[in-house]
Amino acid sequence: DQQVKQNSPSLSVQEGRISILNCDYTNSMFDYFLWYKKYPAEGPTFLISISSIKDKNEDGRFTVFLNKSAKHLSLHIVPSQPGDSAVYFCAEIQGAQKLVFGQGTRLTINP
Amino acid sequence: DAGVIQSPRHEVTEMGQEVTLRCKPISGHNSLFWYRQTMMRGLELLIYFNNNVPIDDSGMPEDRFSAKMPNASFSTLKIQPSEPRDSAVYFCASSLTGDFNQPQHFGDGTRLSIL
Repeated sequence: DQQVKQNSPSLSVQEGRISILNCDYTNSMFDYFLWYKKYPAEGPTFLISISSIKDKNEDGRFTVFLNKSAKHLSLHIVPSQPGDSAVYFCAEIQGAQKLVFGQGTRLTINP
Repeated sequence: DAGVIQSPRHEVTEMGQEVTLRCKPISGHNSLFWYRQTMMRGLELLIYFNNNVPIDDSGMPEDRFSAKMPNASFSTLKIQPSEPRDSAVYFCASSLTGDFNQPQHFGDGTRLSIL
């Protein structure tokens, strides 16, 4: 199975500092990655994406970095705000017909 | 604009009963996805439709699970008979096209408990 792994189940960051969420993948084909954010009792919402032809994509406070040689991507949030407290999922499109999600990382922003 | 609407929000039923989950996608979206979220397996794609046609149901766990999309504004996921291991949160999502790089818009899910 091609896997997407988020090895940190939780992360705690102080308000105003940088949050870095990590994701590793095993597939080596051309791919597309997405990050979703999920609040309790709600569905995931799309946050940001990146194609494997790029190594960085930025949208406001959110930046995703892709390191293809290490098969690693990360989501940076700066500055972190209390409303960023949520579960973050990375997802990989595999074979153009499947979206595979990581297990999620619960981010808590402390005031 | 209304988002993806799922019903019911919560369902508790006894093992062996039939369960039907419902989804109304965002108007104008041509693709609809059913996901299941469990502690053990995370968020898994069960099946998806393009223009009301099922494209890939390889994620459907067993023959007890079936999904239909009779028209562009409605889909159902049915479990018959239900089992305790089917307990999970079931999400429906829709997107403009069947391209997976298009953001998917999720409903708030149905929390299903099978006793």
